[in-house]
Amino acid sequence: SYELTQPPSVSVSPGQTASITCSGDKLGDKYACWYQQKPGQSPVLVIYQDSKRPSGIPERFSGSNSGNTATLTISGTQAMDEADYHCQAWDRSTVVFGGGTKLTVL
Amino acid sequence: QVQLQQSGPGLVKPSQTLSLTCAISGDSVSGNSVAWNWIRQSPSRGLEWLGRTNYRSKWYKDYAVSVKSRITINPDTSKNQFFLQLNSVTPEDTAVYYCARDWGADAFDIWGQGTMVTVSS
Repeated sequence: SYELTQPPSVSVSPGQTASITCSGDKLGDKYACWYQQKPGQSPVLVIYQDSKRPSGIPERFSGSNSGNTATLTISGTQAMDEADYHCQAWDRSTVVFGGGTKLTVL
Repeated sequence: QVQLQQSGPGLVKPSQTLSLTCAISGDSVSGNSVAWNWIRQSPSRGLEWLGRTNYRSKWYKDYAVSVKSRITINPDTSKNQFFLQLNSVTPEDTAVYYCARDWGADAFDIWGQGTMVTVSS
C-alpha cells in the first residue's frame, strides 16, 4: 500500500520560515494537500493541489510538490501556527494521509 | 456557508455496529461535483480515510481496503445527510470520527466537529 512519510516534529523561531516535508513514491505525479490541526479541533485545509490556498488561508502558507517530496512552507511563522500538520494524497481511488508533523514555534 | 453536524453514540460495545450521522447544511448530498467522506483519527493510526459516497447520475461508494468488509456509507436525500455504519467493531476502532466534504479538488475543505467513539464493554 502507498505510504506518505513526514518528520514527527519540526521547530521554528517566530518570524522564521518553517518547512515540513512529505515523502512518497512518485508523489510529484499526484496532487498533495495539507491540513493544519490544533488540539481538540478538526483539521483545516491550508493547501490543496500542491500549491493552492483555500479562501481565508494566509499568504504565508505555500506548497510545492516534485519528485518524491511535497513541502509545506510557512513564511514568517507566527505563534498561532503551532499545530500538527498532515499531508494527504490520492492513490488508486484511496486517500492516504501522512503520519503528521508537530510544528513547535519557540 | 457549508456546515457538517455529526451525531451518534460515543460508546459502542465490541462486536456491535457503530452508527454515525452527518447532517449537511449549505450544500446538497446529491451535488454533482462533491463527495461525502468519513475519516477517523486515533493516536496509533493517525488520520485514516474510511470511505465516501457521491452522486454522478447514480450513487457511487468507495471504501478503504482496511474496513471494506465491515463498512457502509449511505446518503439520505430526504434529510440531506449521510451515514456511517461500521460492523463488528473492536477496541481498535476506538477513534475520533469525522465527516468531511471533498468539493472536487481531491481535498477535504469542510469537516464535521468530530465524534469520539469508544469501543468498550
